[in-house]
Amino acid sequence: AQSVTQLDSQVPVFEEAPVELRCNYSSSVSVYLFWYVQYPNQGLQLLLKYLSGSTLVKGINGFEAEFNKSQTSFHLRKPSVHISDTAEYFCAVSDYTNAGKSTFGDGTTLTVKP
Amino acid sequence: KAGVTQTPRYLIKTRGQQVTLSCSPISGHRSVSWYQQTPGQGLQFLFEYFSETQRNKGNFPGRFSGRQFSNSRSEMNVSTLELGDSALYLCASSPRREPGNTIYFGEGSWLTVV
Repeated sequence: AQSVTQLDSQVPVFEEAPVELRCNYSSSVSVYLFWYVQYPNQGLQLLLKYLSGSTLVKGINGFEAEFNKSQTSFHLRKPSVHISDTAEYFCAVSDYTNAGKSTFGDGTTLTVKP
Repeated sequence: KAGVTQTPRYLIKTRGQQVTLSCSPISGHRSVSWYQQTPGQGLQFLFEYFSETQRNKGNFPGRFSGRQFSNSRSEMNVSTLELGDSALYLCASSPRREPGNTIYFGEGSWLTVV
């Protein structure tokens, strides 16, 4: 069975500071990993995903994530955040044993302060 | 191309009633999945439909059901509503049932049970 743990429920940070949102996963098979962002009163939209190949994945809005198989982690980073990055971020995993189903973490609320 | 459309966006129901939520996927997308989002619980997978057949189901009671029509549009129904069913219900679609596919979310239907 898959599981996803987002290690921080809330991350406050000042504008232009770097940020890292942490995600660990558990699965008995090879996985595909995703980060989604949810702005207030909206659905989720994809930031980036890891399918295979290079472990460093670049996404939209300057975000990137690194897949670490030995540590079963997929942490999201941004070198300099903006006020507009304030949102909830979700890490998700899927695999071939449960096609059509994604398992999500509980979310991390990123608050960027001026 | 239009995104995933969910109706209604907001609704209030009384405990014991039933509710039907509708989802129109992105044109050409054949897989539709439903998630329940509540504060502190993240996104919980309800079920997934593909080619009018339920392919995957989460751990929800039988009061939660769904269906998919030949045009890929989907509905979910919750009978005998309980206060704990108050949540944001998100519909998502993707072109195929492959775990590496990006899933595209609608803005959700906010259900309040009083």
